[in-house]
Amino acid sequence: GEDVEQSLFLSVREGDSSVINCTYTDSSSTYLYWYKQEPGAGLQLLTYIFSNMDMKQDQRLTVLLNKKDKHLSLRIADTQTGDSAIYFCAEGLSGGYNKLIFGAGTRLAVHP
Amino acid sequence: GAVVSQHPSRVICKSGTSVKIECRSLDFQATTMFWYRQFPKQSLMLMATSNEGSKATYEQGVEKDKFLINHASLTLSTLTVASAHPEDSSFYICSAKVQGKMNTEAFFGQGTRLTVV
Repeated sequence: GEDVEQSLFLSVREGDSSVINCTYTDSSSTYLYWYKQEPGAGLQLLTYIFSNMDMKQDQRLTVLLNKKDKHLSLRIADTQTGDSAIYFCAEGLSGGYNKLIFGAGTRLAVHP
Repeated sequence: GAVVSQHPSRVICKSGTSVKIECRSLDFQATTMFWYRQFPKQSLMLMATSNEGSKATYEQGVEKDKFLINHASLTLSTLTVASAHPEDSSFYICSAKVQGKMNTEAFFGQGTRLTVV
């Protein structure tokens, strides 16, 4: 079945890089997404990658996709306290309403 | 991006009562809305997909008689948890998009924390 897994918690020092990892199971995924959720707010789309790409960079964010291993990662360079949030990985399935399958979310805590 | 407003953000209700959660798209017409539920430390699980003017499509294992979805207008969808019980306590979140648009153009509400006592 469809499943997305990610670790639940990550703690980093301000200024360091954060790497959040995710694995998924459905090889027919067309897009893979990273969402950010701050307290009391909705999920905000951070970035996404098409399944035929292996890397995408957007300012401080780098997404790496290893399609063979079904592994996705999000690297945040120069992590700031404002990056503290929950990060959700999601795979978008082809067909129908383009269903999204989410992971449980990784809580990123940034400390001085 | 566009704004999706979900109300209430928190609700506590007694066991056996019904609770209604609203999801509104404020600045666009959302032909498709999705309802998700998240238990602590678990994945955000899709419960159902609703298109304006038609019956919702429920995911396997989700009781349609318990989780009533109404999508009567292009800007409003409601989820009613009928006869709520403590095991229904969860975080419920909606997202909305224009049918046919990509998921990159789906926008999420801030979620509703439901506690049934």
